[in-house]
Amino acid sequence: SYELTQPPSVSVSPGQTARITCSGDALPKQYAYWYQQKPGQAPVLVIYQDNERPSGIPERFSGSGSGTTVTLTISGVQAEDEADYYCQSADSSGTYVFGSGTKVTVL
Amino acid sequence: EVQLLESGGGLVQPGGSLRLSCAASGFTFSSYAMSWVRQAPGKGLEWVSTISGTGGSTYYADSVKGRFTISRDNFKNTLYLQMNSLRAEDTAVYYCAKTTGDGFAFDIWGQGTMVTVSS
Repeated sequence: SYELTQPPSVSVSPGQTARITCSGDALPKQYAYWYQQKPGQAPVLVIYQDNERPSGIPERFSGSGSGTTVTLTISGVQAEDEADYYCQSADSSGTYVFGSGTKVTVL
Repeated sequence: EVQLLESGGGLVQPGGSLRLSCAASGFTFSSYAMSWVRQAPGKGLEWVSTISGTGGSTYYADSVKGRFTISRDNFKNTLYLQMNSLRAEDTAVYYCAKTTGDGFAFDIWGQGTMVTVSS
């Protein structure tokens, strides 16, 4: 199986932009998905198919990708965005992989 | 409202068995693959298993293959995970999740049920 690599932590001031990267050799061939998880809560899908937002997810969340790295961008970070973020991908054989997670701290 | 409600977690001794259930509502259950994802205390997310909408295809992480069995009852709108030969490293919150239409991710999650494997 393959791996997805994320930085352990990202710190950002309110109103600034947070960028969380996720790297993996399979990403050029497979879609990436992003989840937000707050303490004691279930994960929430915030980006699907690299750059699409589910209904109800604020426009400040966006996704992009280049080669083996995808990025979740949170523009105009708010205090409520403090959470753990996980990237995830899957292959056609039915295997799903999560990144190790990035803790976003709003200073 | 789309909802997933897990049950069946608890404390079990190493080598023991447990069956988790997940009751689904608010969507056409049989039209979607369903999955289990777990999270050990203080750790990240780990995919465990997925079953197709009909139940005819199942997939497992290497860490649980041969010990866990996923199944579903489309008449009862319920997903199951039978866990045998449990180990301490299986201790985690187990989430039931609805797989997206493209089959590659998870768009609806339950609240999770805690499984503790300890003597």
